[in-house]
Amino acid sequence: DGGITQSPKYLFRKEGQNVTLSCEQNLNHDAMYWYRQDPGQGLRLIYYSQIVNDFQKGDIAEGYSVSREKKESFPLTVTSAQKNPTAFYLCASSIDPGADEQYFGPGTRLTVT
Amino acid sequence: GESVGLHLPTLSVQEGDNSIINCAYSNSASDYFIWYKQESGKGPQFIIDIRSNMDKRQGQRVTVLLNKTVKHLSLQIAATQPGDSAVYFCAEKGASWGKLQFGAGTQVVVTP
Repeated sequence: DGGITQSPKYLFRKEGQNVTLSCEQNLNHDAMYWYRQDPGQGLRLIYYSQIVNDFQKGDIAEGYSVSREKKESFPLTVTSAQKNPTAFYLCASSIDPGADEQYFGPGTRLTVT
Repeated sequence: GESVGLHLPTLSVQEGDNSIINCAYSNSASDYFIWYKQESGKGPQFIIDIRSNMDKRQGQRVTVLLNKTVKHLSLQIAATQPGDSAVYFCAEKGASWGKLQFGAGTQVVVTP
């Protein structure tokens, strides 16, 4: 099956700890994205990557970091500098940076206490 | 700033009836619009999209209407089923900025 996988589905961390969320796609897509979803709000773009070894900040990049060492993988690290890390995190990909449609993974719910 | 928004946060629909979900946008430069469906605890799924050079586009049981005069987008679901219960998002994109901008979503609840 082709698609986007995110793991784990649920993640719990203590405040002050960094945590890395996994995102893998086997669609051979060039572009990948990370969004944050909070109740009652639209998806907000954290980081995006147009091609391997390249990534750019989105609208709310502070407290997050990413890497894109492989085409199929785009992990997101939520650092201790992120003031409000508890949220639902969604990874997406598109066939190329100019493509309109994005395909989403199932999401990871991160709870930091 | 300009944004995408939804008129109704919750829509209750009887099974078998048609649903209409509305979305207002304020950026006249947007040239692409997309609707996603998100079930509880899952990622958004593509439903249908439309470009600004079209007024209407139909899919299986769904129709998207675009009214550029009043900057309004709607999603119509025919013969709504229990499986249609979900949050529906609209999003817009313009050639100048190239990123999807999402509305907050409408919760559709299908009652028997």
